[in-house]
Parts: sequence; C-alpha cells; structure tokens
Amino acid sequence: ETGVTQTPRHLVMGMTNKKSLKCEQHLGHNAMYWYKQSAKKPLELMFVYSLEERVENNSVPSRFSPECPNSSHLFLHLHTLQPEDSALYLCASSQDRSYNEQFFGPGTRLTVL
Amino acid sequence: GEDVEQSLFLSVREGDSSVINCTYTDSSSTYLYWYKQEPGAGLQLLTYIFSNMDMKQDQRLTVLLNKKDKHLSLRIADTQTGDSAIYFCASETGANNLFFGTGTRLTVIP
Repeated sequence: ETGVTQTPRHLVMGMTNKKSLKCEQHLGHNAMYWYKQSAKKPLELMFVYSLEERVENNSVPSRFSPECPNSSHLFLHLHTLQPEDSALYLCASSQDRSYNEQFFGPGTRLTVL
Repeated sequence: GEDVEQSLFLSVREGDSSVINCTYTDSSSTYLYWYKQEPGAGLQLLTYIFSNMDMKQDQRLTVLLNKKDKHLSLRIADTQTGDSAIYFCASETGANNLFFGTGTRLTVIP
C-alpha cells in the first residue's frame, strides 16, 4: 500500500461507546495530523505529531485522545462522544513539521447516535 | 488565528473557465495552497504559491495572489467534468500550521 490509509472508512457509534480510528502512512514522513471536516465549516486542525511527539493540540475536548506509537501510525481514540462530533476525520502526513505539503488519507466518516 | 473564507458553491459549464476565490486575514502568510477533494477521497495538493509571487501557472491552473487585498484565486481553464470536486484554499502562517477554508464545491455541467 502506498500513501496514507485510514481505517475504518465508516463508523457508527453510540454516545457511550469507545472506538479508535487508525491512520498509517507509507511515505516515510515524520509529521502526522488529525483534522475534522464538518459540512460548511473550515477544516479544523485537531492534533499534530512530529517525530512521535505531540506538538499541537488545538483545544480539542478530552473525549478525543490521540496516540502516535511510531512515525508511521497515528490513532484517535474516541469515548463518550456527542452527536455534534459526527464528521469526516482526516489524517495527513508531511515530510516534517516545517514542510507543509501534506498528504491526506481518505478519511473516516463518523456518525455518533 | 487566521480566517480563510471561500464561497461554498460554484457551477460552470464544461469548457468554460472556473474561478474559485479565497480571502485570508493573516498578512504574515508565507505560502498559500489549493487542495482538491474528490468524492470519497482525502485532500490532494493541486498547487501552491509563495507570498512574494503574484501569479503562478501550471497547465490549466492559474493562481493569482493579491497580497495587499489578501485575496487568492484559482482559475481552471477549459473546465472538464472530472474537475468536479471540492477545492480548499489554505494559508500557512509562521507557526507552520495550515488554516483551511470551508471548501468550494465546483459542479461542472456537461
């Protein structure tokens, strides 16, 4: 596989569930990102990791918990979400933090019931 | 933080030119980007322009930057049905963060 992959592509969960989104990049990049895409809103940067260290956390509620075990993998752990958290969650990577050509995965479409 | 604004929708006829506009607020933006999102896919970088340039052309794509007015546009010549997608404008600030707009959904009518 090449590029940036995300699983699952679709997820439906209840407000009391715990689930995780997975992102994997096969590009040898050192920086990875989580974004939230909601209809009619700007793409929102949630978290940034550089060399497996979190360098940015844009006031994201604690019900979203990222994890970056190595430079190729990024997770977003979800628990007790709200219906307004329903959105497309996009993962991206770039060569490093100062190089801003970002490569995006296809996203996980999350629906919270 | 930076505010990046775009109109939500644009429709054009096949063969016509499309112009997608974007405004931003941070005058210290260093690079400005255009990304394309096709249905069911992530964003793909189309082109970018450095803030000290006012125009960049790449085949059917022309980017115009008016730094004084903080206005960026993307012109697609001879628009094809395969150009139907959502186009995102993004601004990079000194902190290396990208600030995206809402995206403009371009519909090409055959």
